[in-house]
Amino acid sequence: GAVVSQHPSRVICKSGTSVKIECRSLDFQATTMFWYRQFPKQSLMLMATSNEGSKATYEQGVEKDKFLINHASLTLSTLTVTSAHPEDSSFYICSARGQGAATNEKLFFGSGTQLSVL
Amino acid sequence: GENVEQHPSTLSVQEGDSAVIKCTYSDSASNYFPWYKQELGKRPQLIIDIRSNVGEKKDQRIAVTLNKTAKHFSLHITETQPEDSAVYFCAATRSGSARQLTFGSGTQLTVLP
Repeated sequence: GAVVSQHPSRVICKSGTSVKIECRSLDFQATTMFWYRQFPKQSLMLMATSNEGSKATYEQGVEKDKFLINHASLTLSTLTVTSAHPEDSSFYICSARGQGAATNEKLFFGSGTQLSVL
Repeated sequence: GENVEQHPSTLSVQEGDSAVIKCTYSDSASNYFPWYKQELGKRPQLIIDIRSNVGEKKDQRIAVTLNKTAKHFSLHITETQPEDSAVYFCAATRSGSARQLTFGSGTQLTVLP
């Protein structure tokens, strides 16, 4: 299946700093990537849909100036948490839709990033 | 939009017993229903999926059933093993559209040895 690589896997930062998370599709081109946030023992909450070459679409309640998304190429999307605060601590995970008739509705997930803001 | 409800939120079974997780969806146009398994701190892994043109699909110890009329689908795991312990998520979407998956709230399955 398609492979999605996400880095870093774990980040610990001070309050007020910005953190960038990268999501790469390794063996396929992903015109659309999705960014989720997951709190402990809860479901995946969609934050935004990242489209290559255009602005991301944010879900209601998600601050686009707080969570900057860039999808500059068909294989890379980044999420930057700006001026992070303790309440931003969470597990962030990206996903990409597969290509081809057999997999184009399947989502392939990155390995996730555990962000801890002190 | 689509709304997916999942039950139970937690499920404990003895090793070797069967486990069943149920989901309902609201959008009658949804036609693709995947199930994901997520271990603690890891990425969700697709374990099985079903499209609305079939009522049941099986892969070894895992099976999924779909009732389009009632708009519900279920995951069945037989002969459970401790390594089946994880959180399981159901999801629904319209295949072929750019719409993202709508996930259920998850079920924490614990298989007791």
